[in-house]
Amino acid sequence: LAKTTQPISMDSYEGQEVNITCSHNNIATNDYITWYQQFPSQGPRFIIQGYKTKVTNEVASLFIPADRKSSTLSLPRVSLSDTAVYYCLVGDWGDSSYKLIFGSGTRLLVRP
Amino acid sequence: DAGVTQSPTHLIKTRGQQVTLRCSPISGHKSVSWYQQVLGQGPQFIFQYYEKEERGRGNFPDRFSARQFPNYSSELNVNALLLGDSALYLCASGTAQETQYFGPGTRLLVL
Repeated sequence: LAKTTQPISMDSYEGQEVNITCSHNNIATNDYITWYQQFPSQGPRFIIQGYKTKVTNEVASLFIPADRKSSTLSLPRVSLSDTAVYYCLVGDWGDSSYKLIFGSGTRLLVRP
Repeated sequence: DAGVTQSPTHLIKTRGQQVTLRCSPISGHKSVSWYQQVLGQGPQFIFQYYEKEERGRGNFPDRFSARQFPNYSSELNVNALLLGDSALYLCASGTAQETQYFGPGTRLLVL
């Protein structure tokens, strides 16, 4: 079964770039890697999704190496409102059953 | 555009009771997934349905069941509730293997 690993917490300051890495050692071949942001008592909010190499949108970049066993979410110039928990999500076909596996989450604190 | 909606928003039950949670996906989405999120932890995958067929199942006991209707809405049923079932239940909708969009969740408290 896929196991996803993320740092438990990270601290940053406003205006800095933050990079959060997720390790996923058994990702399903055809599945995408998706990152979400979650605030307390809310549903996760989509940030970015990719399959391999690099994807960029208006809020973040996602870097995925060729072996796809990890991914790095990059948040440029964070602000106080980026304080939240960040999760990676991957699909896994372990045990002949499809499962969606969330990482353990990285709690990001952005300081003024 | 309407997002994923879930009902009810909050629910209080007692041990041994049964509960049904409902989810309406974004229009055009044919996939619905259910997750349980215990306070302080990441979401845990329960089920995924695509085109009304179960596509995936997480490591939850048979007390948990779900179904997807012809209009792609979905229900999650939990029987014989335990205190440990207290959690935020999240529903997400999407297309086949692409981005899932989450609803606000249903907070279930079991006393």
